[in-house]
Amino acid sequence: GAVVSQHPSWVICKSGTSVKIECRSLDFQATTMFWYRQFPKQSLMLMATSNEGSKATYEQGVEKDKFLINHASLTLSTLTVTSAHPEDSSFYICSARDYRARHYGYTFGSGTRLTVV
Amino acid sequence: GESVGLHLPTLSVQEGDNSIINCAYSNSASDYFIWYKQESGKGPQFIIDIRSNMDKRQGQRVTVLLNKTVKHLSLQIAATQPGDSAVYFCAEKTGNTGKLIFGQGTTLQVKP
Repeated sequence: GAVVSQHPSWVICKSGTSVKIECRSLDFQATTMFWYRQFPKQSLMLMATSNEGSKATYEQGVEKDKFLINHASLTLSTLTVTSAHPEDSSFYICSARDYRARHYGYTFGSGTRLTVV
Repeated sequence: GESVGLHLPTLSVQEGDNSIINCAYSNSASDYFIWYKQESGKGPQFIIDIRSNMDKRQGQRVTVLLNKTVKHLSLQIAATQPGDSAVYFCAEKTGNTGKLIFGQGTTLQVKP
């Protein structure tokens, strides 16, 4: 089945620095990818929809200048958390759609645990 | 972003019993629904899905029921096992972009 690889699985960074998270579709092309964040014991919150070759669409309340999304190829989307602060510490998860699949093809990465110190 | 920022309710069941997990969704125009299982520190894992033109779908040990009148979704797990212990989320596909919006989630604890 479809596989989405997310890297790194965890990262610790200093406050004020930037962190990049990668999301790759390994065996299919993904024109659309989604980025979520999840705080402990809470649900997944959609941050943005990433479209290959165009600008991402951000959900209301998500700062696009802080969470930079790039979807430069059909197999790779990146999320960069700029000038990270402790409140950005969270679990970030990407999802990609494999349009060949029966169930609309939503496949999730394994997530990235970001800790800002 | 869209979600419900509340702490997850917990359902505790005895091993071997049936579990029923409920979910209220928000958009009457949503046309597709998925149940996911999430274990600690991992991404969501697909369990079962249902389209809006159906009201019931069965898989292996799992059944999803959809009531569009009251915008309610349920997941039934038969003969619950310790390996079923996890957090369960419903998700609805909404809009032309196909984005998935997740519901609140429920923690399932299976007692041996």
